[in-house]
Amino acid sequence: QAQLVQSGAEVKKPGASVTVSCKASGYTLANNHMYWVRQAPGQGLEWMGTINPSGGTTSYAQKFQGRLTVTRDLSTGTVYMELSGLRSEDTAVYYCARGNFGVNTPGLWFDPWGQGTPVIVSS
Amino acid sequence: DIQMTQSPSSLSAFVGDTVTITCRASQTISTYLNWYQQKPGQAPKVLIYSASNLQSGVPSTFRGSGSGTDFTLTISSLQPEDSATYYCQQSYSAPWTFGQGTKVEIK
Repeated sequence: QAQLVQSGAEVKKPGASVTVSCKASGYTLANNHMYWVRQAPGQGLEWMGTINPSGGTTSYAQKFQGRLTVTRDLSTGTVYMELSGLRSEDTAVYYCARGNFGVNTPGLWFDPWGQGTPVIVSS
Repeated sequence: DIQMTQSPSSLSAFVGDTVTITCRASQTISTYLNWYQQKPGQAPKVLIYSASNLQSGVPSTFRGSGSGTDFTLTISSLQPEDSATYYCQQSYSAPWTFGQGTKVEIK
């Protein structure tokens, strides 16, 4: 059964960078795109970026262009999300989620999700 | 960007009731619509994908319908464990966007 396990909570100062890892098990990482979604306290869900682990290609939400870097290590089955230039508004829980494409149905959905990594940005 | 609007923002119902949550897209998205359930302190979990397909392991009391711009999630025979926040998400085009969520409480 596919499972995603993320690294632990982080506390960072404004201007710093944070890296969150997401280790996949139960399936081959290269076979599915991985997505990063965040959720600010009491707020909804926001897609940040995507990586195709097979070739390493990425796409990022415009809001995070220049600050977000997503990479992967196929040898360890791990995807990394680095967000730089942190500000208080980046305080959120960060999730990785595997993308699934329908064979006989259109669309893309996220399943499973990692357990989430809280990131607190505070001086 | 495609905007997703859910209604209501919250609702309260009795065990055994049937509740309906609606999701409207700012442009047509065919059936590229998913529904997620999120309980406090947990990651979201997919319930319905491609508008009407029940994810494996999800109770049949959950049903999704709709196409184009208007979609519904129906929960029949509401149970205490259905207390959660529900999100719709479009997968028609990037950026992948979510509705603001509907909080379902049990009376």
